[in-house]
Amino acid sequence: DAMVIQNPRYQVTQFGKPVTLSCSQTLNHNVMYWYQQKSSQAPKLLFHYYDKDFNNEADTPDNFQSRRPNTSFCFLDIRSPGLGDAAMYLCATSRVGTQETQYFGPGTRLLVL
Amino acid sequence: DAKTTQPNSMESNEEEPVHLPCNHSTISGTDYIHWYRQLPSQGPEYVIHGLTSNVNNRMASLAIAEDRKSSTLILHRATLRDAAVYYCILKASGGGNKLTFGTGTQLKVEL
Repeated sequence: DAMVIQNPRYQVTQFGKPVTLSCSQTLNHNVMYWYQQKSSQAPKLLFHYYDKDFNNEADTPDNFQSRRPNTSFCFLDIRSPGLGDAAMYLCATSRVGTQETQYFGPGTRLLVL
Repeated sequence: DAKTTQPNSMESNEEEPVHLPCNHSTISGTDYIHWYRQLPSQGPEYVIHGLTSNVNNRMASLAIAEDRKSSTLILHRATLRDAAVYYCILKASGGGNKLTFGTGTQLKVEL
């Protein structure tokens, strides 16, 4: 089945130690998104790629960066994780269009020690 | 984006219909109404969307008020697997495909 895959499902890192979260998709969608979801809160969009065009949300901290080397893969890099960055990170994909369905992966839960 | 208001939580019994309300009094004429749900420990999943007319699919029905200031997601027969947070989201026509999630409604389904 076509899907959005996130690895690992759980990631533990140390305060200030860079960490990379991975997302891959077999849907061949042009658009890929990264959301952050803190405990008991709704998901919040960090940024998205339209093909190779990167679109950052205005309030996304500089500590968060992303790479999309090809259509299938997208990475979330947290340069210096703080305790406040502990959250579920969700990757999603969609076709191009304003009303297109977004397909989410299962998420990676990040713990910062 | 226009704002939506949903009850924090609702309860239902299994096999009974569930009506999840959403208020969006500041909706604009080109805003579509989307519903997503998030099951425990999973990413959100699409449920249904519409503009003006009522919509049906295999998961649910969407009833949209005539003035479009409110809508209701209808689960015809709730099961335990429908226990989730349901998000009502407005998306403008044009301006990208971003989802701005509100607080959602936590649906509890009991035997």
